[in-house]
Amino acid sequence: QVQLVQSGAEVKKPGASVKVSCKASGYTSTSYYIHWVRQAPGQGLEWMGMVNPSDSSTSYSQSFQGRVTMTRDTSTSTTVSVYLELSSLTSEDTAVYYCARGGDRSSFHYWGQGTLVTVSS
Amino acid sequence: DIVLTQSPDSLALSLGERATINCKSSQSLLYSSNDRNYLAWYQQKAGQPPKLLIYWASTRYSGVPDRFSGSGSGTEFTLTISSLQAEDVAVYYCQQYYSSITFGQGTRLEIK
Repeated sequence: QVQLVQSGAEVKKPGASVKVSCKASGYTSTSYYIHWVRQAPGQGLEWMGMVNPSDSSTSYSQSFQGRVTMTRDTSTSTTVSVYLELSSLTSEDTAVYYCARGGDRSSFHYWGQGTLVTVSS
Repeated sequence: DIVLTQSPDSLALSLGERATINCKSSQSLLYSSNDRNYLAWYQQKAGQPPKLLIYWASTRYSGVPDRFSGSGSGTEFTLTISSLQAEDVAVYYCQQYYSSITFGQGTRLEIK
């Protein structure tokens, strides 16, 4: 079955970077994009960008351009690990970060469990 | 960027009542070449990731109870829960995937 399993919670200091992983399995890994969506405490959903595991191409939200990097490792034909790196963290980056499987112009049928990133001095 | 505005922001209804949540887009989400509206609805319960309910504006996702339905076209969309159940308490989001990705601000649904 399709699964997206994310890495554990992180605590970072302002100015640092964080790298969150998402291991997707149970389907042909190059057939779908992996998107990243974040949710600040008590707030709504914010799309950050996406990576195409077949060729590592990316598309980022303008809100995060220059501060975000999304990469991928294709372990097998049915497993792919995708990474979100966010730099120059501030307290406003404190949020739960989700990965989700979708396409180019599609809804998100599967989501990871979320990774809480806390930015605090 | 396409802006999605949901209404109301919150809703409190009794069990068995009909719930209606609206989503208005700043641009049409109807792609003329395939006659599809690039809009989805999600349900998010406390402490959980969002779950897909509806895509292409009116297609119910696998396993979603048939009391959930989506309608609308162009710039105006509606999510309807025909008979509210206790397990429907959640925040509901619309999402457009016509141009990049944006979400509505969410509608909180509670039991009165």
